[in-house]
Amino acid sequence: AQKITQTQPGMFVQEKEAVTLDCTYDTSDQSYGLFWYKQPSSGEMIFLIYQGSYDEQNATEGRYSLNFQKARKSANLVISASQLGDSAMYFCAMREPYSGGYQKVTFGTGTKLQVIP
Amino acid sequence: NAGVMQNPRHLVRRRGQEARLRCSPMKGHSHVYWYRQLPEEGLKFMVYLQKENIIDESGMPKERFSAEFPKEGPSILRIQQVVRGDSAAYFCASSPMTVQETQYFGPGTRLLVL
Repeated sequence: AQKITQTQPGMFVQEKEAVTLDCTYDTSDQSYGLFWYKQPSSGEMIFLIYQGSYDEQNATEGRYSLNFQKARKSANLVISASQLGDSAMYFCAMREPYSGGYQKVTFGTGTKLQVIP
Repeated sequence: NAGVMQNPRHLVRRRGQEARLRCSPMKGHSHVYWYRQLPEEGLKFMVYLQKENIIDESGMPKERFSAEFPKEGPSILRIQQVVRGDSAAYFCASSPMTVQETQYFGPGTRLLVL
């Protein structure tokens, strides 16, 4: 079974509009963490935002917010006021306990976001 | 505070040659992870190392691939006798002392096998 599912291979959004990128996850653990990373065309991976499974508040970082719905096992990324520079691939990732006492990170397949002027 | 450094950024090899990819973690980080990204795909975990120890290599192919993180110097991902299917972007990430911390990525090494 997929650990991280991103069902939107590609998305378009008008500049200055908000956009939501979907992410659902599958885990039986109580303690885990969820991340979003941005990968522009230049190829580097840029950390955007983190949500712990015990965090009661949704994480926010500037124009990025994570809509965490624990019961539904979803961790959608919301980008407000889209900018042309937001055009990139976006990856959702989950950290969960693994054998040996450490936590393993699994990535989704990504969503390609294109911001239209 | 320099970020995660990887070199080379681009590497071209002919089939059968060896590829060595280097990763220097962020200052103060003692956990290193290697991931592979095939074209148009997400990142796939390969190996997790601490200084002088391989903690989890469950994502690494059993043959031709090896990784190390010596007491001194960068972490090395070594691919022997490369094949065209090894062409990919290889990313290194590091995190601080506790593994619950966020992983920060290097810029990646793009390997092209001719």
